[in-house]
Amino acid sequence: DAGVIQSPRHEVTEMGQEVTLRCKPISGHDYLFWYRQTMMRGLELLIYFNNNVPIDDSGMPEDRFSAKMPNASFSTLKIQPSEPRDSAVYFCASSPDDGELFFGEGSRLTVL
Amino acid sequence: RKEVEQDPGPFNVPEGATVAFNCTYSNSASQSFFWYRQDCRKEPKLLMSVYSSGNEDGRFTAQLNRASQYISLLIRDSKLSDSATYLCVVNPRRNAGNMLTFGGGTRLMVKP
Repeated sequence: DAGVIQSPRHEVTEMGQEVTLRCKPISGHDYLFWYRQTMMRGLELLIYFNNNVPIDDSGMPEDRFSAKMPNASFSTLKIQPSEPRDSAVYFCASSPDDGELFFGEGSRLTVL
Repeated sequence: RKEVEQDPGPFNVPEGATVAFNCTYSNSASQSFFWYRQDCRKEPKLLMSVYSSGNEDGRFTAQLNRASQYISLLIRDSKLSDSATYLCVVNPRRNAGNMLTFGGGTRLMVKP
């Protein structure tokens, strides 16, 4: 079975550019999460969805960040405009109701 | 105070050694607890859940102490392949679905 699929795996962009990260969760999982990981702050929850509905976006750092889940098989995390401090690994994860998170391989973002 | 705190390490141990990590959490109402493992430049993966009565999976033993609000992970007979970062994970709120909070991780390096 395919796991959580994220794209792109790596992105290098310049400050001010728009960045869009994509995620396909595991089929049948009701929850989808976006996390950000840095050396300084570890893994931080940005936002999560239940049945395509955003439930808690309190971790989204500022208005430059937005996330959507138009259907059960696709989600995007967008940063506009991007800044160097947004450089991190962004993980998407999905979960059924039993609590285990299944992570994608991550999108490594570098903003110059 | 962070919701979930861990000693970042690294813990450097020889093969065959026994090593233990602790993790403390701040919310006494926390409901569920896990240990995840993250290899270098990879995504986190569930290692084991932590039950109130303690649980064992092969060389790994997890324990929960609600009174003192800490979780432990014991690894016996360490293998080179155990080298990784171990993340303590807590569900900090009631009725929060699967909203998990990750500690910063403890890095383990097992040497020949």
